[in-house]
Amino acid sequence: ELKVEQNPLFLSMQEGKNYTIYCNYSTTSDRLYWYRQDPGKSLESLFVLLSNGAVKQEGRLMASLDTKARLSTLHITAAVHDLSATYFCAVDHDRGSTLGRLYFGRGTQLTVWP
Amino acid sequence: SAVISQKPSRDICQRGTSLTIQCQVDSQVTMMFWYRQQPGQSLTLIATANQGSEATYESGFVIDKFPISRPNLTFSTLTVSNMSPEDSSIYLCSALEDRYNEQFFGPGTRLTVL
Repeated sequence: ELKVEQNPLFLSMQEGKNYTIYCNYSTTSDRLYWYRQDPGKSLESLFVLLSNGAVKQEGRLMASLDTKARLSTLHITAAVHDLSATYFCAVDHDRGSTLGRLYFGRGTQLTVWP
Repeated sequence: SAVISQKPSRDICQRGTSLTIQCQVDSQVTMMFWYRQQPGQSLTLIATANQGSEATYESGFVIDKFPISRPNLTFSTLTVSNMSPEDSSIYLCSALEDRYNEQFFGPGTRLTVL
Protein backbone atom coordinates (compact mmCIF):
# COMPACT_ATOMS: atom_id res chain seq x y z
CA GLU A 1 0.00 0.00 0.00
CA LEU A 2 1.31 3.41 -0.94
CA LYS A 3 2.05 5.60 2.07
CA VAL A 4 2.54 9.34 1.86
CA GLU A 5 4.10 11.10 4.82
CA GLN A 6 4.04 14.83 5.06
CA ASN A 7 5.76 16.96 7.66
CA PRO A 8 5.39 19.06 9.52
CA LEU A 9 1.65 18.71 10.07
CA PHE A 10 1.42 22.13 11.67
CA LEU A 11 3.58 25.08 10.81
CA SER A 12 3.38 28.50 12.38
CA MET A 13 5.75 31.01 10.90
CA GLN A 14 6.37 34.70 10.93
CA GLU A 15 5.92 36.82 7.85
CA GLY A 16 9.12 37.17 5.89
CA LYS A 17 10.57 33.85 6.96
CA ASN A 18 11.42 30.83 4.83
CA TYR A 19 10.42 27.23 5.43
CA THR A 20 10.16 23.87 3.68
CA ILE A 21 7.42 21.25 3.80
CA TYR A 22 8.48 17.67 3.09
CA CYS A 23 6.58 14.87 1.40
CA ASN A 24 7.95 11.32 1.47
CA TYR A 25 6.27 8.41 -0.25
CA SER A 26 6.79 4.69 -0.12
CA THR A 27 6.59 3.33 -3.68
CA THR A 28 7.81 4.26 -7.10
CA SER A 29 5.95 7.12 -8.72
CA ASP A 30 6.86 9.83 -11.18
CA ARG A 31 3.82 12.01 -10.65
CA LEU A 32 3.34 14.20 -7.64
CA TYR A 33 0.89 17.01 -7.00
CA TRP A 34 0.72 19.84 -4.50
CA TYR A 35 -2.62 21.34 -3.53
CA ARG A 36 -3.78 24.16 -1.35
CA GLN A 37 -7.01 24.06 0.66
CA ASP A 38 -8.53 27.03 2.42
CA PRO A 39 -11.01 26.39 5.25
CA GLY A 40 -14.35 25.24 3.91
CA LYS A 41 -13.09 25.22 0.34
CA SER A 42 -12.09 22.62 -2.19
CA LEU A 43 -8.56 21.92 -3.39
CA GLU A 44 -6.64 24.31 -5.58
CA SER A 45 -3.96 22.80 -7.79
CA LEU A 46 -0.55 24.38 -7.18
CA PHE A 47 2.03 22.19 -8.90
CA VAL A 48 2.25 19.06 -10.99
CA LEU A 49 5.67 17.39 -10.93
CA LEU A 50 6.10 14.73 -13.57
CA SER A 51 9.73 13.70 -13.60
CA ASN A 52 12.81 13.29 -11.46
CA GLY A 53 14.47 16.60 -10.81
CA ALA A 54 11.39 18.63 -11.73
CA VAL A 55 11.29 22.06 -10.14
CA LYS A 56 8.42 24.50 -10.44
CA GLN A 57 7.95 27.95 -8.96
CA GLU A 58 4.96 30.19 -8.59
CA GLY A 59 5.34 33.35 -6.58
CA ARG A 60 6.69 32.56 -3.13
CA LEU A 61 6.26 28.80 -3.54
CA MET A 62 8.69 26.40 -5.14
CA ALA A 63 8.20 22.65 -5.45
CA SER A 64 10.70 19.97 -6.37
CA LEU A 65 10.68 16.23 -6.91
CA ASP A 66 13.39 13.62 -6.33
CA THR A 67 11.94 10.30 -7.44
CA LYS A 68 15.02 8.34 -6.41
CA ALA A 69 14.71 9.57 -2.83
CA ARG A 70 10.90 9.43 -3.10
CA LEU A 71 10.81 12.96 -1.78
CA SER A 72 9.14 16.19 -2.77
CA THR A 73 9.55 19.55 -1.10
CA LEU A 74 7.47 22.69 -1.06
CA HIS A 75 9.60 25.68 -0.18
CA ILE A 76 8.08 28.89 1.05
CA THR A 77 10.07 32.07 0.58
CA ALA A 78 9.38 35.25 2.56
CA ALA A 79 6.01 34.07 3.79
CA VAL A 80 3.01 36.38 3.78
CA HIS A 81 -0.31 36.06 5.59
CA ASP A 82 -2.16 35.13 2.39
CA LEU A 83 -0.25 31.85 2.28
CA SER A 84 -2.05 30.65 5.40
CA ALA A 85 -3.88 27.46 4.36
CA THR A 86 -3.51 23.68 4.44
CA TYR A 87 -1.12 22.23 1.88
CA PHE A 88 -1.41 18.66 0.65
CA CYS A 89 0.95 16.58 -1.39
CA ALA A 90 -0.52 13.72 -3.38
CA VAL A 91 1.22 10.88 -5.17
CA ASP A 92 -0.19 9.21 -8.25
CA HIS A 93 -0.21 5.48 -7.60
CA ASP A 94 -0.06 4.74 -11.29
CA ARG A 95 -0.41 1.12 -12.21
CA GLY A 96 -0.10 0.50 -15.89
CA SER A 97 -2.55 2.74 -17.68
CA THR A 98 -4.61 3.73 -14.66
CA LEU A 99 -3.35 7.22 -13.96
CA GLY A 100 -4.83 9.67 -11.53
CA ARG A 101 -5.36 7.52 -8.44
CA LEU A 102 -4.00 9.96 -5.89
CA TYR A 103 -2.84 9.10 -2.41
CA PHE A 104 -2.69 12.14 -0.17
CA GLY A 105 -0.48 13.14 2.71
CA ARG A 106 -2.15 14.30 5.91
CA GLY A 107 -1.63 17.93 5.02
CA THR A 108 0.38 20.76 6.53
CA GLN A 109 -1.65 23.45 8.23
CA LEU A 110 0.30 26.65 7.69
CA THR A 111 -0.33 29.80 9.70
CA VAL A 112 1.64 32.93 8.87
CA TRP A 113 1.57 35.65 11.49
CA PRO A 114 2.80 39.26 11.35
CA SER B 1 -8.40 24.19 -16.55
CA ALA B 2 -11.42 21.97 -16.13
CA VAL B 3 -14.32 23.41 -14.17
CA ILE B 4 -16.17 20.90 -12.03
CA SER B 5 -19.53 21.35 -10.35
CA GLN B 6 -21.23 19.14 -7.80
CA LYS B 7 -24.78 18.87 -6.58
CA PRO B 8 -25.90 19.08 -3.85
CA SER B 9 -23.33 21.26 -2.11
CA ARG B 10 -24.51 19.98 1.25
CA ASP B 11 -27.21 17.80 2.73
CA ILE B 12 -28.40 16.49 6.05
CA CYS B 13 -29.78 12.97 5.86
CA GLN B 14 -31.30 10.40 8.16
CA ARG B 15 -29.52 7.14 8.81
CA GLY B 16 -30.60 4.30 6.59
CA THR B 17 -31.34 6.52 3.61
CA SER B 18 -29.31 7.04 0.45
CA LEU B 19 -27.99 10.15 -1.26
CA THR B 20 -26.82 10.54 -4.85
CA ILE B 21 -24.19 13.16 -5.59
CA GLN B 22 -23.78 14.48 -9.11
CA CYS B 23 -20.53 15.66 -10.68
CA GLN B 24 -20.38 17.61 -13.93
CA VAL B 25 -17.20 18.57 -15.81
CA ASP B 26 -17.20 21.33 -18.40
CA SER B 27 -15.06 19.32 -20.83
CA GLN B 28 -14.61 15.70 -21.79
CA VAL B 29 -12.19 13.83 -19.58
CA THR B 30 -11.07 10.25 -19.60
CA MET B 31 -10.62 9.74 -15.88
CA MET B 32 -12.92 10.82 -13.08
CA PHE B 33 -12.54 9.94 -9.43
CA TRP B 34 -14.41 10.14 -6.13
CA TYR B 35 -12.73 11.02 -2.84
CA ARG B 36 -13.85 11.34 0.75
CA GLN B 37 -12.52 13.87 3.23
CA GLN B 38 -13.59 13.24 6.80
CA PRO B 39 -13.66 16.21 9.17
CA GLY B 40 -10.17 17.58 9.70
CA GLN B 41 -8.61 14.75 7.71
CA SER B 42 -6.91 14.21 4.43
CA LEU B 43 -8.52 12.87 1.27
CA THR B 44 -9.08 9.17 0.64
CA LEU B 45 -9.74 7.78 -2.81
CA ILE B 46 -13.01 5.85 -3.00
CA ALA B 47 -13.04 4.75 -6.61
CA THR B 48 -12.23 5.47 -10.21
CA ALA B 49 -15.32 6.13 -12.30
CA ASN B 50 -14.79 4.40 -15.62
CA GLN B 51 -16.82 5.45 -18.63
CA GLY B 52 -18.83 2.58 -20.00
CA SER B 53 -17.81 0.04 -17.38
CA GLU B 54 -18.00 -0.62 -13.67
CA ALA B 55 -16.12 1.61 -11.30
CA THR B 56 -12.85 0.41 -9.78
CA TYR B 57 -12.95 0.57 -5.99
CA GLU B 58 -10.11 1.05 -3.54
CA SER B 59 -9.52 -1.20 -0.60
CA GLY B 60 -12.18 -0.67 2.03
CA PHE B 61 -14.84 0.61 -0.34
CA VAL B 62 -17.47 -1.58 -2.02
CA ILE B 63 -19.96 -1.12 -4.80
CA ASP B 64 -22.99 -1.96 -2.67
CA LYS B 65 -22.22 0.93 -0.35
CA PHE B 66 -20.94 3.42 -2.95
CA PRO B 67 -22.45 2.66 -6.35
CA ILE B 68 -21.03 4.89 -9.07
CA SER B 69 -22.25 5.70 -12.55
CA ARG B 70 -20.32 7.24 -15.44
CA PRO B 71 -22.67 7.47 -18.40
CA ASN B 72 -20.45 9.78 -20.49
CA LEU B 73 -17.15 11.67 -20.51
CA THR B 74 -18.44 14.70 -18.59
CA PHE B 75 -20.68 13.30 -15.86
CA SER B 76 -20.60 10.91 -12.91
CA THR B 77 -22.68 10.13 -9.84
CA LEU B 78 -21.80 8.66 -6.48
CA THR B 79 -24.48 7.20 -4.25
CA VAL B 80 -23.91 6.78 -0.54
CA SER B 81 -26.23 3.95 0.43
CA ASN B 82 -27.79 2.96 3.73
CA MET B 83 -26.09 5.85 5.44
CA SER B 84 -24.83 5.92 9.01
CA PRO B 85 -23.30 8.80 10.98
CA GLU B 86 -19.85 7.44 10.09
CA ASP B 87 -20.55 8.44 6.48
CA SER B 88 -20.61 12.11 7.46
CA SER B 89 -17.85 13.58 5.31
CA ILE B 90 -17.12 15.81 2.40
CA TYR B 91 -17.32 13.93 -0.88
CA LEU B 92 -15.31 15.33 -3.76
CA CYS B 93 -15.16 14.36 -7.37
CA SER B 94 -12.15 15.05 -9.52
CA ALA B 95 -11.15 14.87 -13.15
CA LEU B 96 -7.78 14.23 -14.70
CA GLU B 97 -7.21 16.69 -17.51
CA ASP B 98 -5.21 14.63 -19.97
CA ARG B 99 -3.54 17.49 -21.81
CA TYR B 100 -1.92 19.05 -18.76
CA ASN B 101 -1.76 16.00 -16.48
CA GLU B 102 -3.51 18.04 -13.84
CA GLN B 103 -6.23 16.71 -11.60
CA PHE B 104 -8.92 19.21 -10.69
CA PHE B 105 -11.41 18.91 -7.89
CA GLY B 106 -15.02 19.85 -7.53
CA PRO B 107 -16.24 22.03 -4.67
CA GLY B 108 -17.34 19.02 -2.64
CA THR B 109 -20.58 17.84 -1.09
CA ARG B 110 -20.77 18.17 2.66
CA LEU B 111 -22.86 15.30 4.00
CA THR B 112 -24.14 15.05 7.55
CA VAL B 113 -25.92 11.88 8.63
CA LEU B 114 -28.06 12.02 11.76
